[in-house]
Amino acid sequence: NAGVMQNPRHLVRRRGQEARLRCSPMKGHSHVYWYRQLPEEGLKFMVYLQKENIIDESGMPKERFSAEFPKEGPSILRIQQVVRGDSAAYFCASSDLRAGPGDKNIQYFGAGTRLSVL
Amino acid sequence: KNQVEQSPQSLIILEGKNCTLQCNYTVSPFSNLRWYKQDTGRGPVSLTIMTFSENTKSNGRYTATLDADTKQSSLHITASQLSDSASYICVVSGGGGGADGLTFGKGTHLIIQP
Repeated sequence: NAGVMQNPRHLVRRRGQEARLRCSPMKGHSHVYWYRQLPEEGLKFMVYLQKENIIDESGMPKERFSAEFPKEGPSILRIQQVVRGDSAAYFCASSDLRAGPGDKNIQYFGAGTRLSVL
Repeated sequence: KNQVEQSPQSLIILEGKNCTLQCNYTVSPFSNLRWYKQDTGRGPVSLTIMTFSENTKSNGRYTATLDADTKQSSLHITASQLSDSASYICVVSGGGGGADGLTFGKGTHLIIQP
């Protein structure tokens, strides 16, 4: 029973390149969340997706960042034309029900992808 | 503004000793409060979840308390072990911090020394 799988674990990119981060949720989970964690900071919500739908992307920068969760395959967080400020750990979490207000449903986190922009 | 403040920022204790971590929040409306453990280089793992009506919950050597009136929570670790070395994150649900409605604290970095 594999947990949330993220790859790659570490990603190095030069300024201006594209970064693609993948997340395979736990089996049976259809809700995926992406978070960003800067050093010495708490996790910050970026985007919440269900299969083939972006439910809320209010925490994601309007430019250069995009996310998808196709019918088949993993969820992808894509960062175009990366800058040094994008260097962070990006965590994906999944749940079988929406994990939000009034809901005790647990989110299961992946081990994260650490992006370093040179 | 919804905020979750944790203290201390970091803590070093000897193996076998007890410790208590604090969490104060200003999230409104309140739904539930969660404690997560995050090992270095890993994702957070849920320890406890408490709703408004619950004022204590245990998970092995971890005991969380919640005072919804003062908006404070604590996580008590009994008879610490080396494997308890990690960051402990307090997360409060209900304030609309993103679609998931979760507001994360910055965590307390706990180091257990032999």
